[in-house]
Amino acid sequence: EAEVAQSPRYKITEKSQAVAFWCDPISGHATLYWYRQILGQGPELLVQFQDESVVDDSQLPKDRFSAERLKGVDSTLKIQPAELGDSAMYLCASSLVSGFGNEQFFGPGTRLTVL
Amino acid sequence: AQTVTQSQPEMSVQEAETVTLSCTYDTSENNYYLFWYKQPPSRQMILVIRQEAYKQQNATENRFSVNFQKAAKSFSLKISDSQLGDTAMYFCAFMKHAANFGNEKLTFGTGTRLTIIP
Repeated sequence: EAEVAQSPRYKITEKSQAVAFWCDPISGHATLYWYRQILGQGPELLVQFQDESVVDDSQLPKDRFSAERLKGVDSTLKIQPAELGDSAMYLCASSLVSGFGNEQFFGPGTRLTVL
Repeated sequence: AQTVTQSQPEMSVQEAETVTLSCTYDTSENNYYLFWYKQPPSRQMILVIRQEAYKQQNATENRFSVNFQKAAKSFSLKISDSQLGDTAMYFCAFMKHAANFGNEKLTFGTGTRLTIIP
């Protein structure tokens, strides 16, 4: 069964360092989402891509976060510089099409710890 | 903006019993979708059940069913004949109906940690 892949699964870094997370969605899924899940809370959307285009990045802290999906397939989320408050689980999800309540399929996440 | 509230941080139930998880939401939208997602320990989140707001009939998926009360903005999940594999964090989530790209984000509640006791 096809799954969303993410790497690394765990990342420990010091504050002010740069970190990057990678996501490979299910083949053929045009829509890709990055969510952040702080411990004890539900996930919150950071950015949504439709193919290679960003369609929603209203909650992305653009002074330190960036995301790209250059060929409309896999995606990278970067944080530079990392801050203590960035410690969280970063989840990637994909869906075949957007809209109409289509199911989003989630990856296993990258757990980031900033020291 | 939409909000989703799950008022039960933790629940536990004996195996084979029935349990109901609560969820309320606030929105001014008329067309939307509601979901229950399950996040097992150290595993990815998976969809349990989905409800379209324009459908009055409650969704069911095998042992999982919902009680959707649109006027009360309530969306509870009932798990019948609970199994050890049901142990997980359960998130209620809201999605606006969007025919165009964008605005399909899921708005999640804070989750309910469910433990099935052998």
